[in-house]
Amino acid sequence: EVQLVESGGGLVQPGGSLRLSCAASGFTFSSYWMNWVRQAPGKGLEWVANINQDGSEKYYVDSVKGQFTISRDNAKNSLYLQMNSLRAEDTAVYYCVRGTIGVAGLDYWGQGTLVTVSS
Amino acid sequence: QTVVTQEPSLTVSPGGTVTLTCASSTGAVTSGYSPNWFQQKPGQAPRALIYGTSNKHSWTPARFSGSLLGGKAALTLSGAQPEDEADYYCLLIYGGVGGVFGGGTKLTVL
Repeated sequence: EVQLVESGGGLVQPGGSLRLSCAASGFTFSSYWMNWVRQAPGKGLEWVANINQDGSEKYYVDSVKGQFTISRDNAKNSLYLQMNSLRAEDTAVYYCVRGTIGVAGLDYWGQGTLVTVSS
Repeated sequence: QTVVTQEPSLTVSPGGTVTLTCASSTGAVTSGYSPNWFQQKPGQAPRALIYGTSNKHSWTPARFSGSLLGGKAALTLSGAQPEDEADYYCLLIYGGVGGVFGGGTKLTVL
């Protein structure tokens, strides 16, 4: 059974940093693109970043370029999102999402971890 | 900045058929954007329904189908059930590497 479990969310002050983690199980993690998607309270979904199988390709939504860094450790079956210089508008539930194979898309989602940026 | 547009809300009768659409500010949606569709119920994580325009996941109910329609991506629900009441999001993938979600459609089954 595919499982994606996010952790690392919480309350952080504006300008602070946070590192999210996603523990993957039930599939060959190193064979898949992985993504982060976020959802602000009461709002829609926003694709944030993705990373290819060996970590050599990374892409970001414009609003987080230079601020967030996606990475992975295939030996630990883990995905990460380092978030720096956090702002109130980064407040959201952050989901770890697996990419589909072959045709571009997303399939399995974690339950999400809430990041709240507030003083 | 690319904008993906969906109907804010739609209503369908139980057993009825409804089509949700997904438009791109860049022009006609083609299979090259690999349209994806997701369902989200209150308090839950989104669930994937369709990828690559019309491909279903193993868990996708047969009553859901994806297509291209009049320059847009489309999600058709045939034989709506009460449990289909939810928010639906489309995702278009630009350049094959990054995606943009639509604003979502709130579907009411009434």
